[in-house]
Amino acid sequence: AQSVTQLDSHVSVSEGTPVLLRCNYSSSYSPSLFWYVQHPNKGLQLLLKYTSAATLVKGINGFEAEFKKSETSFHLTKPSAHMSDAAEYFCVVSDRNGGYNKLIFGAGTRLAVHP
Amino acid sequence: DTAVSQTPKYLVTQMGNDKSIKCEQNLGHDTMYWYKQDSKKFLKIMFSYNNKELIINETVPNRFSPKSPDKAHLNLHINSLELGDSAVYFCASSQVWTSGREQFFGPGTRLTVL
Repeated sequence: AQSVTQLDSHVSVSEGTPVLLRCNYSSSYSPSLFWYVQHPNKGLQLLLKYTSAATLVKGINGFEAEFKKSETSFHLTKPSAHMSDAAEYFCVVSDRNGGYNKLIFGAGTRLAVHP
Repeated sequence: DTAVSQTPKYLVTQMGNDKSIKCEQNLGHDTMYWYKQDSKKFLKIMFSYNNKELIINETVPNRFSPKSPDKAHLNLHINSLELGDSAVYFCASSQVWTSGREQFFGPGTRLTVL
């Protein structure tokens, strides 16, 4: 069975400092992993995805994530936070098992960015 | 052009009423989904259709009935609305039905049941 644990429900950083949002996953098969971002009262936007190619994945707006199979982790990072990064971030897993495309969401991490 | 669109954006109604939410995608995708986001922001899949055929039907009350008139449209009808149905409902689409694919989400419909 698939599951996702986002280790922090809230993260607060100062503008210009690094961002780290932590995610651990559980999967019986080779997973696809995604990070989605949801700005207040908006829909979900795909930040980046891992689908078995390079383990270091670069996304939009300067975000990147590294797939570490040995640690079952897919942490999201950004070198320098911007005020516009304040949002809810979701780590998502989908087993690549030939079955239906069911995304399993983590509980979300709310990122606050202070001036 | 909006890739995945939903109407209405907001829906406020009384308990016991019946309401529908509509979704359209112009990405040419075969597969569409409905997700529910509760008050704690948790997202869970409800249904999925592939080319008008129901392929995922999670444990959802029978009061919820999806309909897909063609592969670009997926509607959600809810009968006898209850307070617990208050949530944000997201429509999504993916190119095909097989696992591991990214999904593209609509802007959401915020349903409030009074």
